[in-house]
Amino acid sequence: GAVVSQHPSRVICKSGTSVKIECRSLDFQATTMFWYRQFPKQSLMLMATSNEGSKATYEQGVEKDKFLINHASLTLSTLTVTSAHPEDSSFYICSASPGQGTGDTQYFGPGTRLTVL
Amino acid sequence: GENVEQHPSTLSVQEGDSAVIKCTYSDSASNYFPWYKQELGKGPQLIIDIRSNVGEKKDQRIAVTLNKTAKHFSLHITETQPEDSAVYFCAASTGGYQKVTFGIGTKLQVIP
Repeated sequence: GAVVSQHPSRVICKSGTSVKIECRSLDFQATTMFWYRQFPKQSLMLMATSNEGSKATYEQGVEKDKFLINHASLTLSTLTVTSAHPEDSSFYICSASPGQGTGDTQYFGPGTRLTVL
Repeated sequence: GENVEQHPSTLSVQEGDSAVIKCTYSDSASNYFPWYKQELGKGPQLIIDIRSNVGEKKDQRIAVTLNKTAKHFSLHITETQPEDSAVYFCAASTGGYQKVTFGIGTKLQVIP
């Protein structure tokens, strides 16, 4: 089946630093990837849609200058949390679609646990 | 935009019994309904999905039903096992690379 990986799986950083999270589709090309944020015991909240070769589309309330998304290739999207603060601590998950058929079946990565001290 | 409601939020069943999780959606244009299982500390895993041209789909112990008129869909797990314990999310999408809207999740506990 379609496999999506994320790196790192866990990251701890100091307040004010920037953190980059990578999302890769391992066995398929993905024109579109999605980035989600999940707080403990809550559902997944879509942050942005990452489009290869163009600007990301951010959901309402998500600061695009704080959460930088780059989708440089058909297998890699990165999310950079700039000037991270403790309130940015969360579980970040990406998803991608193999694009077969209607292109809507999304497969999720294992997630990245970010802790900002 | 789309709004997906899911219930119950928690569900405990005895091993071997069946579990049913129900969801409703608001956007009549939605035509793709996946279900995901999420274990603690992991990303969601697609377990089954259904499209609007189908009323029911089954995969071994898991089945999903869809009622487009009423805008609701359900997940049925039969002969539950302890390893079925997890959080289950329903979702809805208009398809074609469009975003997926998730329900709040149901924490299923299967008691041995």
